[in-house]
Amino acid sequence: AQSVTQLDSQVPVFEEAPVELRCNYSSSVSVYLFWYVQYPNQGLQLLLKYLSGSTLVKGINGFEAEFNKSQTSFHLRKPSVHISDTAEYFCAVSGAFDSSYKLIFGSGTRLLVRP
Amino acid sequence: DGGITQSPKYLFRKEGQNVTLSCEQNLNHDAMYWYRQDPGQGLRLIYYSQIVNDFQKGDIAEGYSVSREKKESFPLTVTSAQKNPTAFYLCASSRGPKETQYFGPGTRLLVL
Repeated sequence: AQSVTQLDSQVPVFEEAPVELRCNYSSSVSVYLFWYVQYPNQGLQLLLKYLSGSTLVKGINGFEAEFNKSQTSFHLRKPSVHISDTAEYFCAVSGAFDSSYKLIFGSGTRLLVRP
Repeated sequence: DGGITQSPKYLFRKEGQNVTLSCEQNLNHDAMYWYRQDPGQGLRLIYYSQIVNDFQKGDIAEGYSVSREKKESFPLTVTSAQKNPTAFYLCASSRGPKETQYFGPGTRLLVL
């Protein structure tokens, strides 16, 4: 079974500053990893995903994440945030080679970008 | 445009009442999912369906029921047995397991 921990429930940051949202996972098997963004009162949208290959994954809106197997982490980064990046961000994990359809989500991190 | 629609946007339930949330997709995806979102708890899987006429319980299926009679549709019924139904409900679909899940805009259910 897999689990996901997002250590920060809220991250305040000033506009144009860099940001890192932390995600750690637990699994005894190989995993696929995802980051989703949710704007207020909307559904989730995929930012990026790691399936295999390069550990640095680039996504939409200038976000990127790095898969670190030894630290079981998949932290999300952006070098310069905008007011429009204010949203909730969810990390999710699934087993890579099992037949399960399940995605396990973290509890989310609210990114608050201030002018 | 392809996508997922959910209706209604807001739904009010009275005590002892069953209510049904609609989810429709035109992405030609085989798999569909229902999640419940509560503040500070992320998303929890209620039910999922891999293919028409088949569905499986997720982690919190008690008090909910689903059907999958058409590929495009996966309605969720919140029954009177669900004692704490107030939440934001999200429907999603994917081509298959491990594929990206695409989400609808959600339905917020409130109890009168």
